[in-house]
Amino acid sequence: AQSVTQPDIHITVSEGASLELRCNYSYGATPYLFWYVQSPGQGLQLLLKYFSGDTLVQGIKGFEAEFKRSQSSFNLRKPSVHWSDAAEYFCAVGARSNDYKLSFGAGTTVTVRA
Amino acid sequence: DSGVTQTPKHLITATGQRVTLRCSPRSGDLSVYWYQQSLDQGLQFLIQYYNGEERAKGNILERFSAQQFPDLHSELNLSSLELGDSALYFCASSPRVDTQYFGPGTRLTVL
Repeated sequence: AQSVTQPDIHITVSEGASLELRCNYSYGATPYLFWYVQSPGQGLQLLLKYFSGDTLVQGIKGFEAEFKRSQSSFNLRKPSVHWSDAAEYFCAVGARSNDYKLSFGAGTTVTVRA
Repeated sequence: DSGVTQTPKHLITATGQRVTLRCSPRSGDLSVYWYQQSLDQGLQFLIQYYNGEERAKGNILERFSAQQFPDLHSELNLSSLELGDSALYFCASSPRVDTQYFGPGTRLTVL
């Protein structure tokens, strides 16, 4: 069965500082990996996805993520955080063999301080 | 705006009641997924439909059922509601079966 672990429940970062959110997945074959962001009271917005190919993927809002098979990780990064990045971030894994249904991590809440 | 619409936005009802949540997928998307987000369980996959047919089932209770209609909209029916069913219910749609785009959700409160 596929599963996702987001080790950090809450991260506080200063505006303008860099941000890295950790994600570790468990799946036998090559997974499809996603990062979603949820602002308070909103739905989930897709930030980026990895299916195959280049292991460094670029997403919207200046985010990028790197797939590292050896570490079973798909960490999300942003070089310079803006106050509007305060939200909850979810890593998710899907697989063709599982009809692409997504398994989500518990989420990481990001607080941005001025 | 993902293009997925869900109605209603909020729903308040009592235990034992039955409710129907509605989802309209993005234009042309054949797959519809339902998820439940609660504080204790997090985001959990409930069920998937593809072009009117049930495709996959997750942690969906027997009191819950869903269907996808010929116009591709979907409904999630929740019956014999319990306090623990209070949650955010998301619908997502997909143009193929890979990337899912989520709607704004329906917040269900069971009193």
